[in-house]
Amino acid sequence: QKEVEQNSGPLSVPEGAIASLNCTYSDRGSQSFFWYRQYSGKSPELIMSIYSNGDKEDGRFTAQLNKASQYVSLLIRDSQPSDSATYLCAVNRAAGKSTFGDGTTLTVKP
Amino acid sequence: GAVVSQHPSRVICKSGTSVKIECRSLDFQATTMFWYRQFPKQSLMLMATSNEGSKATYEQGVEKDKFLINHASLTLSTLTVTSAHPEDSSFYICSAIGSGTDNYGYTFGSGTRLTVV
Repeated sequence: QKEVEQNSGPLSVPEGAIASLNCTYSDRGSQSFFWYRQYSGKSPELIMSIYSNGDKEDGRFTAQLNKASQYVSLLIRDSQPSDSATYLCAVNRAAGKSTFGDGTTLTVKP
Repeated sequence: GAVVSQHPSRVICKSGTSVKIECRSLDFQATTMFWYRQFPKQSLMLMATSNEGSKATYEQGVEKDKFLINHASLTLSTLTVTSAHPEDSSFYICSAIGSGTDNYGYTFGSGTRLTVV
């Protein structure tokens, strides 16, 4: 079992819809959770961080964390074609070292 | 926000030569830097973790004599690919975290696309 698992996709949604990206992790001691966006040919950029159970909203993005279920998700409302990218889930273990999932590729169709 | 500068962005070299990639934290002190490699359409692969002033910790399967990492200051880490071969062609990305930011996300450099011919 991978430490951080994501559906590879591709996930395709129409423009304006809600895109839902999911991630599960195996280490119950994990404390910090991140979502990165990576456009093709570019390096990842941090878009959301979440540290406690519940929802955290930032513009069109909402991160959801459920530590009991070891589950973190990212919702993108009003999806735009510019949101088409690979989304990486990352979980922090000791000493600030993140473990990354393999990423989910999202395509938003106009 | 935190900025990490990575150079060069793109390099083409001949087989057998060495290439040095620089990663600088511009507005914070990077106590730890990470080096990743990513092949097309594949996930990030952590190569090594470097802490300022100490030897890098390499992941299993990464040759430390081939991928030389130096983290001589709190703002600069370098990765040297020695005796490069075509199979080393890849996208190399650094990331950094600073002191007191262990629970914060990574700041990534813009990446270096290495092509060995």
